[in-house]
Amino acid sequence: TQLLEQSPQFLSIQEGENLTVYCNSSSVFSSLQWYRQEPGEGPVLLVTVVTGGEVKKLKRLTFQFGDARKDSSLHITAAQPGDTGLYLCAGEGNAGGTSYGKLTFGQGTILTVHP
Amino acid sequence: DAGVTQSPTHLIKTRGQQVTLRCSPKSGHDTVSWYQQALGQGPQFIFQYYEEEERQRGNFPDRFSGHQFPNYSSELNVNALLLGDSALYLCASSLFTYEQYFGPGTRLTVT
Repeated sequence: TQLLEQSPQFLSIQEGENLTVYCNSSSVFSSLQWYRQEPGEGPVLLVTVVTGGEVKKLKRLTFQFGDARKDSSLHITAAQPGDTGLYLCAGEGNAGGTSYGKLTFGQGTILTVHP
Repeated sequence: DAGVTQSPTHLIKTRGQQVTLRCSPKSGHDTVSWYQQALGQGPQFIFQYYEEEERQRGNFPDRFSGHQFPNYSSELNVNALLLGDSALYLCASSLFTYEQYFGPGTRLTVT
């Protein structure tokens, strides 16, 4: 069974601070996706990383996929109140190619950015 | 370009009843996946449909079944509802196995 451990579970910071969310697994994934979810809504895809060591930037958000494709991180620079929400990482597939298309989610990180 | 749509938005059922949830995928997508999200948890994979066949299945009992229609829309059926089935049910669509886009979900409450 593939598992994704996401940390921290809760993060409460002031506007302008930087933060990093971590997503770790003992399993290899074909790709890893980061989502943001608002209360009562479905997750919204932020980014997909596919290659080990890959780094993608989306404005103030930086996503990194580990060299071994087992872990990932999300770094937010100068957080704003609009960044508040639930952040989810999700691993897709596995090294053997037998669970392609299946997303395994972490428990999520609830981020609150105070003005 | 319409995104993923789901119906109904909310549903209240009694233990032992059956429920059907519906999903229309994003335009151009051919694969539909269903997830269950309990309060405070990440979504859990139920199953995935491609070309009207169940292609992948997660650790959910046979009470959970589904269907995909020729127009790629999908249904999730849950029989003999239990209190523990109360959750947000999410549908996601994709083009084959690539990036999945989620709908707003159906909030199911079992009393």
